[in-house]
Amino acid sequence: QVQLQESGPGPVKPSETLSLTCTVSGDSVSSGNYYWSWVRQPPGKGLEWIGYIYYSGSTNYNPSLKSRVTISVDTSKNQFSLRLTSVTAADTAVYYCARSGGSTFFSLWSWGQGTLVTVSS
Amino acid sequence: SSELTQDPAVSVGLGQTVRITCQGDSLRTYYASWYQQKPGQAPVLVIYGKNSRPSGIPDRFSGSSSGNTASLTITGTQAEDEADYYCNSRDSSGNHVVFGGGTKLTVL
Repeated sequence: QVQLQESGPGPVKPSETLSLTCTVSGDSVSSGNYYWSWVRQPPGKGLEWIGYIYYSGSTNYNPSLKSRVTISVDTSKNQFSLRLTSVTAADTAVYYCARSGGSTFFSLWSWGQGTLVTVSS
Repeated sequence: SSELTQDPAVSVGLGQTVRITCQGDSLRTYYASWYQQKPGQAPVLVIYGKNSRPSGIPDRFSGSSSGNTASLTITGTQAEDEADYYCNSRDSSGNHVVFGGGTKLTVL
């Protein structure tokens, strides 16, 4: 059974860069069967797709975040990562990583427990 | 703003049937997926594709689609079904992923 676990350094100051890593167990990020996604949820609000990466390194980002987002994959560590630059208070959210995919749909099959990232000075 | 529209809140009596809807132009081309999220927990996929349930999801959950509207139906709603429900799909271009704003389901 696949498990995903988000990790990161904790609070981030405005204008700095948010960095998170998702460690995958029970599956391989290089299997080619799934896309590996990031989703966030501001406190009390809905879900927002951030983007995903394929094992080959190809990426797809939410157009509203594209200028600030980078998702990368480290197949040797079975991890994928999120970098979000120039953060503001509006980036405060629970960040989830997920195993995802689909052709005539797009499902996020398995999720990490999420990690709250607070942007504050 | 979301390209998928959901009613903010729906209520249902215990044991009754409830339908939660999701509207958007992309749903004419792509199926919706549905997620259940309880307070303090990560979302859980409950329906994907035309009408498929991941392993472990009760068969009282079902999905359907017509035109630009996808629906999640819960038949014989249980108290533990009280949660937020989100739909998602690809956007109209097929290139990106979108979520609905979510529906808070209250079981009376």
